[in-house]
Amino acid sequence: DTGVSQDPRHKITKRGQNVTFRCDPISEHNRLYWYRQTLGQGPEFLTYFQNEAQLEKSRLLSDRFSAERPKGSFSTLEIQRTEQGDSAMYLCASSLAGATSGRKETQYFGPGTRLLVL
Amino acid sequence: EDQVTQSPEALRLQEGESSSLNCSYTVSGLRGLFWYRQDPGKGPEFLFTLYSAGEEKEKERLKATLTKKESFLHITAPKPEDSATYLCAVEKSYNYGQNFVFGPGTRLSVLP
Repeated sequence: DTGVSQDPRHKITKRGQNVTFRCDPISEHNRLYWYRQTLGQGPEFLTYFQNEAQLEKSRLLSDRFSAERPKGSFSTLEIQRTEQGDSAMYLCASSLAGATSGRKETQYFGPGTRLLVL
Repeated sequence: EDQVTQSPEALRLQEGESSSLNCSYTVSGLRGLFWYRQDPGKGPEFLFTLYSAGEEKEKERLKATLTKKESFLHITAPKPEDSATYLCAVEKSYNYGQNFVFGPGTRLSVLP
């Protein structure tokens, strides 16, 4: 299967602990996005990579959050000193953007990582 | 400010009862409008992309249309397996990561 995968699917942690999530995008996709989704809401943009470069971060992304995409393939999202307000579904999406893809920058989503901070 | 709203918030239909979901947007420089389906505990699943006012796309019992200010997702003769949250998202021009703005979704329940 060549879809977007995320690991782990579920994470329960205690307040103050650090957590790290991984996202493997569709192999030929050059853009990778991280979103956060809370119950009853649509996904909210967190950050975005084009290849290995992190090009934009939302103001929602506090200093406790850091994301990397070291070789332009998989990405990790780390949350340090977790707080109860960090409890949410963390979604990763990938897309192919550039001159050859034209207008077609459809984002394809992974299954998400559900985080619960106790 | 860029905004995407969806209505109704929730919709309950009997099997076979057709209806429409609405997505209204106010964004500067719309490049595209996307519909996704999301099942509980899962990531959004891509359905359609619309780029121009007047454009229509169909897939099985679903048909998406686009005007200059809103999009409709028409569901014809729905089945219980169509129950899900339907999200719309708009892609804006001349932005990078924050180029996708999602609406809050419409929770659809189709009763047998």
